[in-house]
Amino acid sequence: AQKVTQAQTEISVVEKEDVTLDCVYETRDTTYYLFWYKQPPSGELVFLIRRNSFDEQNEISGRYSWNFQKSTSSFNFTITASQVVDSAVYFCALKGDYQLIWGAGTKLIIKP
Amino acid sequence: GAVVSQHPSRVICKSGTSVKIECRSLDFQATTMFWYRQFPKQSLMLMATSNEGSKATYEQGVEKDKFLINHASLTLSTLTVTSAHPEDSSFYICSARVSEGGFDDEQYFGPGTRLTVT
Repeated sequence: AQKVTQAQTEISVVEKEDVTLDCVYETRDTTYYLFWYKQPPSGELVFLIRRNSFDEQNEISGRYSWNFQKSTSSFNFTITASQVVDSAVYFCALKGDYQLIWGAGTKLIIKP
Repeated sequence: GAVVSQHPSRVICKSGTSVKIECRSLDFQATTMFWYRQFPKQSLMLMATSNEGSKATYEQGVEKDKFLINHASLTLSTLTVTSAHPEDSSFYICSARVSEGGFDDEQYFGPGTRLTVT
């Protein structure tokens, strides 16, 4: 079975702190994709990253970075020097046979 | 990039009425569209997959007679909530897939429609 686990329901940090959102996945497929999406209060999903299973290189985009480790089936997301605008719900997802398998989401609260 | 629109963005309707939500791919053709439902503080739940010109495939537990899906063209899919009740109040999100289901195809999400049934 395919599954995505985001164990952190809610995280609250003070602005400028670094924060890591965890994502653990399960799949028997050898080829798959992993995603992170941001959902601000407006509700519109914002695509952040897509990573295929053959590319284990870490990715950095500005203050965002992703650590993909196949050995532990994890695809964690770190925000450096967090800002209030980063407050949102973040979803990790796994591309299954034909649909996306979604994690439960982590609500991130950045306090000024 | 590929843009998906939804209309309306918000709708309030009375119990017993039907509501139609449109999902359009604005700058690409989408052979497949997906409809999701999201309850407050929960994740997205796939309701159905709709392919242009054929009947939608509903996920287990989703009432096909209540949630009518029509994918009449390569750029438009509609979700009609029939005889809506307060428990149908939710955030409905559509997504559109660009290609014919290749493994590396991409889904693009609409901004969502917030339905409130009074």
